[in-house]
Amino acid sequence: AQRVTQPEKLLSVFKGAPVELKCNYSYSGSPELFWYVQYSRQRLQLLLRHISRESIKGFTADLNKGETSFHLKKPFAQEEDSAMYYCALGNTGTASKLTFGTGTRLQVTL
Amino acid sequence: DTGVSQDPRHKITKRGQNVTFRCDPISEHNRLYWYRQTLGQGPEFLTYFQNEAQLEKSRLLSDRFSAERPKGSFSTLEIQRTEQGDSAMYLCASSLEPGPRGEQYFGPGTRLTVT
Repeated sequence: AQRVTQPEKLLSVFKGAPVELKCNYSYSGSPELFWYVQYSRQRLQLLLRHISRESIKGFTADLNKGETSFHLKKPFAQEEDSAMYYCALGNTGTASKLTFGTGTRLQVTL
Repeated sequence: DTGVSQDPRHKITKRGQNVTFRCDPISEHNRLYWYRQTLGQGPEFLTYFQNEAQLEKSRLLSDRFSAERPKGSFSTLEIQRTEQGDSAMYLCASSLEPGPRGEQYFGPGTRLTVT
């Protein structure tokens, strides 16, 4: 069975501080990992995917297969980063359903 | 096309009643997904369609739940004999396959409250 664990429900940081949102997964195959974000009163949207190795809005995430982790990082938090962040695991091959973690609320304060 | 739309946005119903939700995906998207999200949880997969074919259903989708996508465009999700445990946000998403994998575009959701 596949599972995604986000251990923190809430992460509160000061503006300009580094951010790390933790995500661990359990999957027997070759994983495809994603971070989705939901800003206040907006719909869920894709932030980044591991296969693209991209940086979006200053966020990066590296897949560590040895530690089965896909932590989301940003060196300097901005107020506009305050949102709900969900780590998600996709099936290889069919890329159909996503398995989401419970989410972490990031709160960036002045 | 302004993205995935869902109707209604909110639904309050009494236990035992039937409800139906509609999802209109992004027009060129051939895949359509339904998820359910309860308070404090992430979205949980219910089912998905490739065009009009329903290709996978979760164990969460009891026999009271049925989903259709008759012409490969919009989809409906019906819940029969609603129970209080069905209270949740029901999310629809769509994607283009083949395309950027995992990039599902979500709708605003339908919040169901069963009293």
